[in-house]
Parts: sequence; structure tokens; C-alpha cells
Amino acid sequence: GENVEQHPSTLSVQEGDSAVIKCTYSDSASNYFPWYKQELGKRPQLIIDIRSNVGEKKDQRIAVTLNKTAKHFSLHITETQPEDSAVYFCAASSGSARQLTFGSGTQLTVLP
Amino acid sequence: EAQVTQNPRYLITVTGKKLTVTCSQNMNHEYMSWYRQDPGLGLRQIYYSMNVEVTDKGDVPEGYKVSRKEKRNFPLILESPSPNQTSLYFCASTIRSDRRASYEQFFGPGTWLTVT
Repeated sequence: GENVEQHPSTLSVQEGDSAVIKCTYSDSASNYFPWYKQELGKRPQLIIDIRSNVGEKKDQRIAVTLNKTAKHFSLHITETQPEDSAVYFCAASSGSARQLTFGSGTQLTVLP
Repeated sequence: EAQVTQNPRYLITVTGKKLTVTCSQNMNHEYMSWYRQDPGLGLRQIYYSMNVEVTDKGDVPEGYKVSRKEKRNFPLILESPSPNQTSLYFCASTIRSDRRASYEQFFGPGTWLTVT
């Protein structure tokens, strides 16, 4: 089955700096890669996703890049703000009903 | 309002006492899932359902049962809970898009379960 590894497990940045979280996946058939944000005590919520036929996608301060050859994808957050502090999860799906396999999560802390 | 609801939100129980966590969605989604979240392990899928009366095991199904008699409901059953099932549980309802090849999960609010 699919295996998704996520790094780092914790990340602290100064407000205004950029943050990068990286994930690798094992199943070359995976073709959908979402990122979820989970604030303390709340449910995970989708923030951005990318399909395998796209190399990069941006949404304001958030971007995701995908390298299919190397089987890794990354989340980039620019101009970080304290409200970006949360746990971020990457995930991968092969498009089957098996649905998503999640990474272990990254605790991002933005220091004021 | 589109939503996924879970009950109870918090539960403390003892080893061996059967319990059910309910999950309901009002979005008419066919796909639903149960996950458990543990520190350092992320979200691990327990069971999923593609439609009424169609369920299948996820990554960590041992000790759990599910049923899908109606489209909107997907209860999680622990027949004989053990302390290693102490965890945060999320139900999720999924929008499946063939065109986008995507499965966007809408999560419920979570259920904190402690088994002593």
C-alpha cells in the first residue's frame, strides 16, 4: 500500500519568514496530493491540493509543488503569520476508493 | 448548512464495554471514512465505505466494526474496547470527483475516547 513520509515533524519560523514542509510517497500510481491544516482542538481542513498532471499550484501565500519522478511534494507558505501556526498534514491518493493516506504531520509555530 | 456530526464528542469508558460512536452527514456523499489520530502517527484510516452496505478495511481495522445501512450514517463500533484504542477519532465524508481525480474529505469535529 501507499506510504507517505512527512518532514519535519516540528518547524518554528519567525513571522514574515517562509516555511517549507516536505512529503515523499511510495506508490507511483498516486495522482492526487492534498494538504490539510489542523488548528489546535479543531478538525483538519483542506487548504490546497494538486493533481499529478500539474507541477505547481498557488493560492495567495500558499503553494504546493510536485516532483513525480522523485515522488515528493512540498508545501510552501510565504510571509508567515501567527494564525498559520497549526499542524499540517500531507496526503496521497491513487484515485481509487481506498482514499487517502496521510503523513504524520508537521507542527508549525510562527513566532511573533 | 453542510456538515458532518459525531457523537459523543468525549467519552471515557472501561475495557470491554461495548460502545458506538455515531457519524452523520447531510451532504448526500457516497463515500465516508473513519480515522484515528495519535501523536506522531498522523491520521490513520480505520474503515471506509463507498456506499450503502459497502464497507472495507483501512490501515488499522483491528478491534473496530462499522455499518452503513443508510447513506447519511456511518457508525463506528468497538465491541470490546482496550486501552490501546484510546485516541481521537474523526469521521469524514468525501466528495469524489472523477474529473479532478480528487477526494476532498470533510471531517467531523472529532471524538476523544479514553479507555481505562
